[in-house]
Amino acid sequence: DAKTTQPPSMDCAEGRAANLPCNHSTISGNEYVYWYRQIHSQGPQYIIHGLKNNETNEMASLIITEDRKSSTLILPHATLRDTAVYYCIVSARMNRDDKIIFGKGTRLHILP
Amino acid sequence: GAGVSQSPSNKVTEKGKDVELRCDPISGHTALYWYRQSLGQGLEFLIYFQGNSAPDKSGLPSDRFSAERTGGSVSTLTIQRTQQEDSAVYLCASSLEPGQTDTQYFGPGTRLTVL
Repeated sequence: DAKTTQPPSMDCAEGRAANLPCNHSTISGNEYVYWYRQIHSQGPQYIIHGLKNNETNEMASLIITEDRKSSTLILPHATLRDTAVYYCIVSARMNRDDKIIFGKGTRLHILP
Repeated sequence: GAGVSQSPSNKVTEKGKDVELRCDPISGHTALYWYRQSLGQGLEFLIYFQGNSAPDKSGLPSDRFSAERTGGSVSTLTIQRTQQEDSAVYLCASSLEPGQTDTQYFGPGTRLTVL
């Protein structure tokens, strides 16, 4: 079973920041938070990951709460091409036997 | 550089026939995953290979499904006696050895249609 909870869908206006929440209240100390997205008819694409500090790359920012029980993926200036299903996943990088389980994700609609 | 490739991109078969789906992971990636995605659904884990370890087959839905990975590289997912409910997109992903990074790189998938 997926270890995360996400809203099934969200809307965001083009040009605005899209904030996608994820709850992972049972996260273990050695588990990272990963975000992937899947644009229609394509394979999932890695976005970002983090352990406890906030992270930023060219695609997005990841904000992890101090207790690590939830996180938010931020797309700072959403475009129509960001319309996709976004998956939040927890996984222990150091555990050889820990496979990544994808839940149902959040379907993000960017509105023109 | 070359990413994960899968073949065929589309496969239409008749109920009861066997099919083989192929995955070529990124060179040097020791971990390989197979997932299934039915229309409008999330990804369903099927099987996981890591190096020379025994594969994790816990996600395979029935004994009609099997997979092998030869030489630690190319993998083949075989579905015997296909059923209509097997229709889905089958996705393959690879990653560097866990402990380095778990970032998975996905192939474009094989769309399987069972008539």
